[in-house]
Amino acid sequence: AQSVTQLGSHVSVSEGALVLLRCNYSSSVPPYLFWYVQYPNQGLQLLLKYTSAATLVKGINGFEAEFKKSETSFHLTKPSAHMSDAAEYFCAVSDSTYYGGSQGNLIFGKGTKLSVKP
Amino acid sequence: DSGVTQTPKHLITATGQRVTLRCSPRSGDLSVYWYQQSLDQGLQFLIHYYNGEERAKGNILERFSAQQFPDLHSELNLSSLELGDSALYFCASSKTPGINYEQYFGPGTRLTVT
Repeated sequence: AQSVTQLGSHVSVSEGALVLLRCNYSSSVPPYLFWYVQYPNQGLQLLLKYTSAATLVKGINGFEAEFKKSETSFHLTKPSAHMSDAAEYFCAVSDSTYYGGSQGNLIFGKGTKLSVKP
Repeated sequence: DSGVTQTPKHLITATGQRVTLRCSPRSGDLSVYWYQQSLDQGLQFLIHYYNGEERAKGNILERFSAQQFPDLHSELNLSSLELGDSALYFCASSKTPGINYEQYFGPGTRLTVT
């Protein structure tokens, strides 16, 4: 069974500082990994996804994540935080089988709330 | 706006009652997923329907059921409600099952059981 663990339920950065949100995964098969963002009182929006092509994945709003198999990690970064980045971020892994198939059902981490100080 | 609609936005009901949550997927999307977001359990996958048929089940209680209709809208039925069922219920839709197409999430239905 697949799972993800997000380190840090709250992260606070200053505007303009580097954003680093941590996610580690557990999977017995090659994983499909995702980062979603949830703004207050809204649904989730996909930031980026890793599907075994390039290990460095670029997403929307200047975010990117790097898949590191040796570290079983998929950390999310952004070079310079904006006030508008304040939200909750979820790492997720898709159910997948040994032959690479997936139904797309997502298994989420507990989430990390990002605060951006002016 | 993701194009996925969910009704109602808010629902307050008493323990032991039954409620129905409705989801209309984006135009052209055949898959509908239901997720529950609670303080205790976080975001959990409940159930997935594709073109009217159940595709996969996650951590869905036996008191909960779902279906997808010919017009592709989906309903999640929650019965014998308990206080612990209070949560935000999201549906998401995608063109087909799998990871090739993005899942678009609706705004959610907030259920409060008193």
